[in-house]
Amino acid sequence: SQQGEEDPQALSIQEGENATMNCSYKTSINNLQWYRQNSGRGLVHLILIRSNEREKHSGRLRVTLDTSKKSSSLLITASRAADTASYFCATARSNDYKLSFGAGTTVTVRA
Amino acid sequence: GAVVSQHPSWVICKSGTSVKIECRSLDFQATTMFWYRQFPKQSLMLMATSNEGSKATYEQGVEKDKFLINHASLTLSTLTVTSAHPEDSSFYICSADSRWDSLMHEQFFGPGTRLTVL
Repeated sequence: SQQGEEDPQALSIQEGENATMNCSYKTSINNLQWYRQNSGRGLVHLILIRSNEREKHSGRLRVTLDTSKKSSSLLITASRAADTASYFCATARSNDYKLSFGAGTTVTVRA
Repeated sequence: GAVVSQHPSWVICKSGTSVKIECRSLDFQATTMFWYRQFPKQSLMLMATSNEGSKATYEQGVEKDKFLINHASLTLSTLTVTSAHPEDSSFYICSADSRWDSLMHEQFFGPGTRLTVL
């Protein structure tokens, strides 16, 4: 069942600006992952952050995790038109590693 | 990196027919694979967990007799949508679990299969 909620649902920014989206979840997790999905395509894994980590970087991506607030954020810096996609957070539960996906944030980067 | 393929990438079928979708892990073995369904502009919903050599476990509300899952080998899981109806039209995505250490599991996703039932 869905356990993550994301906000905003949609985000429109100018190329070069930063994009930030948030994810909240309800139960204990083993890790939290962020994925990108271009329209009608499969998922691309972006980054995985473990429950004992607070921040992680990968290129222009920065992910934070606050387990006390049960929330995570994904920051995309210096956005490009190619970053236009839907972004989903997914939490892996502590007991069975199934992934529960958030509702997603649709990001549009205007050239 | 680990690659997961799905076949077919899209399929159109008549109402009442059955459709089989294959999910393969190409360069690693996956004892566990997952099947998801995604309706337009919505998120992924987990349908079932496919375990090699044993019966699949289905999420609440998913009809196991309608969505047959077979995980015959460590690199192949199949999902058969039986007696398909237009409301089964959706994007079906599989993932394969790669247990790259004893504590961390990472799922690698296939490209998805677009099913349209007329």
